[in-house]
Amino acid sequence: GESVGLHLPTLSVQEGDNSIINCAYSNSASDYFIWYKQESGKGPQFIIDIRSNMDKRQGQRVTVLLNKTVKHLSLQIAATQPGDSAVYFCAETYSNDYKLSFGAGTTVTVRA
Amino acid sequence: DAGITQSPRHKVTETGTPVTLRCHQTENHRYMYWYRQDPGHGLRLIHYSYGVKDTDKGEVSDGYSVSRSKTEDFLLTLESATSSQTSVYFCAISRAEGREANYGYTFGSGTRLTVV
Repeated sequence: GESVGLHLPTLSVQEGDNSIINCAYSNSASDYFIWYKQESGKGPQFIIDIRSNMDKRQGQRVTVLLNKTVKHLSLQIAATQPGDSAVYFCAETYSNDYKLSFGAGTTVTVRA
Repeated sequence: DAGITQSPRHKVTETGTPVTLRCHQTENHRYMYWYRQDPGHGLRLIHYSYGVKDTDKGEVSDGYSVSRSKTEDFLLTLESATSSQTSVYFCAISRAEGREANYGYTFGSGTRLTVV
């Protein structure tokens, strides 16, 4: 699969491979994290979330990993499909803040 | 997106003119937000509201004002538009209540504003 160790603005993936998108968050007090997917011309859509009392959470074809020690979040997409081509954002907040802070985003392009 | 609509979807305006963008929700959510999205900056919070007539500034609030006179409507006003305010504006809503609340947002489809 394709992955990036550090956050990069773009990721090109072969269809069928696994993708890993990384995100470094800034606030050590953050305890709730979300991944969003934004397709061209649309608003961001919720993919999956994770709270700080968890290290891993799985959804349908997606897995989010949280490493609080190094303040790192990753999104893994299994068997990447053309419909996964989009910009992916991580977001963070802490309890009772009610405001999300977003990362810069990673543009994922799926090659046929 | 279901339950949240933004209007207009596109607007071109001249520098120095006032502009108002509207966000309307049918979810009865307490929290509403305005973000702007620019290349290389991701989404940045302009203003947000935690109830009728309760609003607060975000990280890029200069040049913008907001109003919320009803639960369902959150208005963003550019008092005197400048070219630096050319951007895509997104409204979001959040239920965000309860101890295990999902603090995630539901976003509108965005308003593309061009200031010439």
